[in-house]
Amino acid sequence: SQQGEEDPQALSIQEGENATMNCSYKTSINNLQWYRQNSGRGLVHLILIRSNEREKHSGRLRVTLDTSKKSSSLLITASRAADTASYFCATEGAQKLVFGQGTRLTINP
Amino acid sequence: GAVVSQHPSRVICKSGTSVKIECRSLDFQATTMFWYRQFPKQSLMLMATSNEGSKATYEQGVEKDKFLINHASLTLSTLTVTSAHPEDSSFYICSARGGWLGKNFQYFGAGTRLSVL
Repeated sequence: SQQGEEDPQALSIQEGENATMNCSYKTSINNLQWYRQNSGRGLVHLILIRSNEREKHSGRLRVTLDTSKKSSSLLITASRAADTASYFCATEGAQKLVFGQGTRLTINP
Repeated sequence: GAVVSQHPSRVICKSGTSVKIECRSLDFQATTMFWYRQFPKQSLMLMATSNEGSKATYEQGVEKDKFLINHASLTLSTLTVTSAHPEDSSFYICSARGGWLGKNFQYFGAGTRLSVL
């Protein structure tokens, strides 16, 4: 069953702008992870944030987690054409990873 | 880093045939492996969880006789799609838990695109 709801479902921005994607989930979690998937390809793990963490950074990525609202956001700063992909949040709980619906991000040159 | 190898990357078969997909953890022992299915422009749906040496646990709605999972060793799990039909055409992705990042981290294979004619 799907755990996470992501919004927007699709996002199109100009290169250099920031992209923000949101994820909401329903049950308690151990951690939340973000993945990237290029069209027709496998998953690339981006970042993991634990349930006791509120914010995490990795390069141009910034992830926040609000367990009281059961939501997370992924911010990609200074976007590049190569960032065009689908982005999924995934929640870890009960020994398995459950994925959200995903956001299709398009970076226009 | 830990690597999960999935083979084949693409398979085309006739309706009614069976297809086997392999998932190997190359440099770590994976006590648990997972199989996901992804339809075009949709998310990954967990099909089953496979533990080495025991029967797989299937998610609700997934036919265990249709999707046979064998996790015979700590580095290999296989998914066999039996009597495949066009509606089984999908992208199948495996993942394995383990590796240097900790036993609770999942590593993903590159996926197998199955097309049933």
